Amino acid sequence: ETGVTQSPTHLIKTRGQQVTLRCSSQSGHNTVSWYQQALGQGPQFIFQYYREEENGRGNFPPRFSGLQFPNYSSELNVNALELDDSALYLCASKFSGTGVFNEQFFGPGTRLTVL
Amino acid sequence: GQNIDQPTEMTATEGAIVQINCTYQTSGFNGLFWYQQHAGEAPTFLSYNVLDGLEEKGRFSSFLSRSKGYSYLLLKELQMKDSASYLCAAPFSGGYNKLIFGAGTRLAVHP
Repeated sequence: ETGVTQSPTHLIKTRGQQVTLRCSSQSGHNTVSWYQQALGQGPQFIFQYYREEENGRGNFPPRFSGLQFPNYSSELNVNALELDDSALYLCASKFSGTGVFNEQFFGPGTRLTVL
Repeated sequence: GQNIDQPTEMTATEGAIVQINCTYQTSGFNGLFWYQQHAGEAPTFLSYNVLDGLEEKGRFSSFLSRSKGYSYLLLKELQMKDSASYLCAAPFSGGYNKLIFGAGTRLAVHP
């Protein structure tokens, strides 16, 4: 139990649709990262938000976008879904402070299937 | 470029010791992480090494050699519940959160 929750648990969409995935972080966690994990692979970094601003992005197209809210929740939005977007989407949150290493905590993930 | 390599699969016997290796290439170095991930679950943090040497934490130990770009995770007194994927990861762009992961090593522990 990491204190990070994600919704929904599972989701089925069709190609071309849009999807919004949600993450609720622990109180005080000012940093959230989103990862995509294809079956049998390690997580791939999508982007990170720090204090509600994007603070780094991996090799993902602009149709992947996000938001972070003051209440420690965040969203991952994916437009124009493609079959290859089928994966487990993980959010991970932590408190980021200067010169301090703090562990990040992963949520249980949302399993997205695109048909 | 940045790359992390680890074996795809390993098997071991309950009660035994297993070593999972990881080699990495990163631009800059900000430490090396190990995570455990059971099927269908979130990754959970096991260790973070930033200095060379072995760090022991109960049945699990992690080793780092920065000069060789090499790390290993050592699991002792294996239990059936240790069957999981073990992910090696390194930060990039100077941020501890922005991790590049290896593909993971699936460990199967047999009676």
